[in-house]
Amino acid sequence: AQKVTQAQTEISVVEKEDVTLDCVYETRDTTYYLFWYKQPPSGELVFLIRRNSFDEQNEISGRYSWNFQKSTSSFNFTITASQVVDSAVYFCALSEAGYNFNKFYFGSGTKLNVKP
Amino acid sequence: NAGVTQTPKFRILKIGQSMTLQCTQDMNHNYMYWYRQDPGMGLKLIYYSVGAGITDKGEVPNGYNVSRSTTEDFPLRLELAAPSQTSVYFCASRHRGSDSGANVLTFGAGSRLTVL
Repeated sequence: AQKVTQAQTEISVVEKEDVTLDCVYETRDTTYYLFWYKQPPSGELVFLIRRNSFDEQNEISGRYSWNFQKSTSSFNFTITASQVVDSAVYFCALSEAGYNFNKFYFGSGTKLNVKP
Repeated sequence: NAGVTQTPKFRILKIGQSMTLQCTQDMNHNYMYWYRQDPGMGLKLIYYSVGAGITDKGEVPNGYNVSRSTTEDFPLRLELAAPSQTSVYFCASRHRGSDSGANVLTFGAGSRLTVL
């Protein structure tokens, strides 16, 4: 079974639209970490955010915000007023804190196209 | 701090040749990983290491070998290169802990390998 599911393969929006990227995870650990990474067309992988399972507060960083809901096992990412520079592939990821800490599970990614 | 350094950035191999992708990190991280990313796809774990002298297979280890003789270095060796190994390879590292940077996977810039 997939540990991290990103059901949206590709999303296209027009600049200044808001867009939400979905992420659903699966774990039996009570302590775990969730992450979002950005991969722009240049190819590098850029860390955006880490959340631990005990902190369900939503986080906002500029135009980016993250909604963590344990009840639905979701960790969604919203970009407000999208810009062309937001065009990238976005990966959600999960790391469990227990026996499987050595593993790091990635979703399949969502490609975001922001058109001018 | 250089972070995670991978060499080479680009390489073209002929079928049957062998080569080693180098990865070094200067953050004293115990955990190191090798991923491959095929065009338009997500990340697949090849091998990982939880410390010097300890390595283990990921999802797609066939055709690859690793070693971890020091904390800093985690080279990936391709034996008898095949066209199916054409991919971008990412090395990454992280440490376990409770500080702000803990558990986050830090990636190298990637190595683009083509096998013809």
